[in-house]
Amino acid sequence: QVQLQESGPGLVKPSQTLSLTCTVSGGSISSGSYYWSWIRQPAGKGLEWIGRIYTSGSTNYNPSLKSRVTISVDTSKNQFSLKLSSVTAADTAVYYCARAGISSPGDVWGQGTTVTVSS
Amino acid sequence: QTVVTQEPSFSVSPGGTVTLTCGLSSGSVSTSYYPSWYQQTPGQAPRTLIYSTNTRSSGVPDRFSGSILGNKAALTITGAQADDESDYYCVLYMGSGNWVFGGGTKLTVL
Repeated sequence: QVQLQESGPGLVKPSQTLSLTCTVSGGSISSGSYYWSWIRQPAGKGLEWIGRIYTSGSTNYNPSLKSRVTISVDTSKNQFSLKLSSVTAADTAVYYCARAGISSPGDVWGQGTTVTVSS
Repeated sequence: QTVVTQEPSFSVSPGGTVTLTCGLSSGSVSTSYYPSWYQQTPGQAPRTLIYSTNTRSSGVPDRFSGSILGNKAALTITGAQADDESDYYCVLYMGSGNWVFGGGTKLTVL
């Protein structure tokens, strides 16, 4: 059974780059026709799709975040990562990684990790 | 940018049936939008209920069903139970690899 676990700093200073990693266990990140997604949720608010990557390296990003987002994959480590540059307080949220299919942005989700942007 | 709309809140009596909807600020939802539905309780990650309009995720009871009703996607819960009290989110595929979530519906069972 595939499981996902987010990791990374819980506190990031404004204007810096937020970096998170999602480690996939219980299966190979390269197997099957899956995308690997990042989704976030500010406290008390709704979900926001950030973007996804295919194991080929092909990516899609939320147009509203595209200029600041980079998602990458490391198949040798069974991990994929998120970088969000020039962060502000508005980027404070719980960040989830998820396995995605062609017909959904997430079927298996990580537990989420809280990132706070503050000086 | 197109907005995905959901009822902010809804209530249902125990044992009752409720239908939550997912629409577009402009246009109609069809199966081509691959609507998915998620259930989320406080402090927990979302749980996948329905994907591709009406396919139940593994382990999801058949009390939950998805459909297209008129110009919206719909999630119907029959025989509502106390632990169905949650936030429910829909998400639609907008093309070019992009997904947009609705604002969520807070369902109260009372």
